[in-house]
Amino acid sequence: DSGVTQTPKHLITATGQRVTLRCSPRSGDLSVYWYQQSLDQGLQFLIQYYNGEERAKGNILERFSAQQFPDLHSELNLSSLELGDSALYFCASSARDGNYYEQYFGPGTRLTVT
Amino acid sequence: AQSVAQPEDQVNVAEGNPLTVKCTYSVSGNPYLFWYVQYPNRGLQFLLKYITGDNLVKGSYGFEAEFNKSQTSFHLKKPSALVSDSALYFCAGGSGNTPLVFGKGTRLSVIA
Repeated sequence: DSGVTQTPKHLITATGQRVTLRCSPRSGDLSVYWYQQSLDQGLQFLIQYYNGEERAKGNILERFSAQQFPDLHSELNLSSLELGDSALYFCASSARDGNYYEQYFGPGTRLTVT
Repeated sequence: AQSVAQPEDQVNVAEGNPLTVKCTYSVSGNPYLFWYVQYPNRGLQFLLKYITGDNLVKGSYGFEAEFNKSQTSFHLKKPSALVSDSALYFCAGGSGNTPLVFGKGTRLSVIA
């Protein structure tokens, strides 16, 4: 168990809908990362927050947004969902800001868009 | 652009034999390199990392990796494979403040 929790584990929704994925980092970790894992694209970095502030952005669509709250939990919002958004979404946390710190991954949220 | 390549989608090895999972990187500046393992229906687990210093890095579960700057490689190795090592392995790399880039993953199958 990495200490990172994600809810829900599974989510099935229809095209055009909006969903929110939630992540709680390991105790004491200030950085939160979001990744999308699909069979054809592998693991893609979406966005990073550090202590409430956005630090880095990857291939995140404009339909997606995220935030990190004062208690350090983070939410990833996906809107106007398309079939191609079906994937595993992982949250990871690390102690500090900096890519030389190892990241600890949650179990993921499997999103299915029908 | 930074990139990490894992040239093998699948590696098969007999239990008790040494295993190698290959990774090459293209990163500007001094690289940070990581190996992660993913078991079915689980998130990625950190195995080891190279930041600086000794080129041979030892990690969890008896795994090690060798940083080779001239060949831009960071291959994962284990002297004696176990069936329980069967999983999906990811190499990741970055430098400076740029986000980590992950390879596509290599599926390791250890056969009893």
